[in-house]
Amino acid sequence: QKEVEQDPGPLSVPEGAIVSLNCTYSNSAFQYFMWYRQYSRKGPELLMYTYSSGNKEDGRFTAQVDKSSKYISLFIRDSQPSDSATYLCAMNRSGGYQKVTFGTGTKLQVIP
Amino acid sequence: EPEVTQTPSHQVTQMGQEVILRCVPISNHLYFYWYRQILGQKVEFLVSFYNNEISEKSEIFDDQFSVERPDGSNFTLKIRSTKLEDSAMYFCASMDTGELFFGEGSRLTVL
Repeated sequence: QKEVEQDPGPLSVPEGAIVSLNCTYSNSAFQYFMWYRQYSRKGPELLMYTYSSGNKEDGRFTAQVDKSSKYISLFIRDSQPSDSATYLCAMNRSGGYQKVTFGTGTKLQVIP
Repeated sequence: EPEVTQTPSHQVTQMGQEVILRCVPISNHLYFYWYRQILGQKVEFLVSFYNNEISEKSEIFDDQFSVERPDGSNFTLKIRSTKLEDSAMYFCASMDTGELFFGEGSRLTVL
């Protein structure tokens, strides 16, 4: 079983739709959870950073963590064509130097 | 806004040659990393560096690879005797309080 699993997509939605992106993980020691956005041939850009279970909102983005189910989600409201990118979930055991483990990424296309 | 900068953006090299990829992490960050992404694949951890020594490395990071912080600002990844399968995007990243910030990457093409 992979440590972090993410549906690769592609996911295609109309502009204005609510997008739900998800990851599951197997390592119960993970406590810090991140979502990155990556445009083609660019570096990952940090969108959301959360600790342990719960919700965090930032503008059109909401991150949810359910540690009991080992399941994290990113919701994008009022999706825009500029949101078209690959979304990577990532996590690690502590906020320190330990490596961050990434999912494979979900490719999202928002159609005008 | 502070950012991680990487040079070169693209390097083409012949198999067997040595390459050095350079990074300037965000100035007040203490933890530095190299990650790799082969085209179409996931971002993979290579190595972490803290207090002038390697903190953790993956099985990918074998004797062919080395890292160095030669001065107070630069952080380098050296790849000796490059192989075709080393062709990838190499990302430098730095971390302060848990948030990991990436540079734009150096694309390495080994011919």
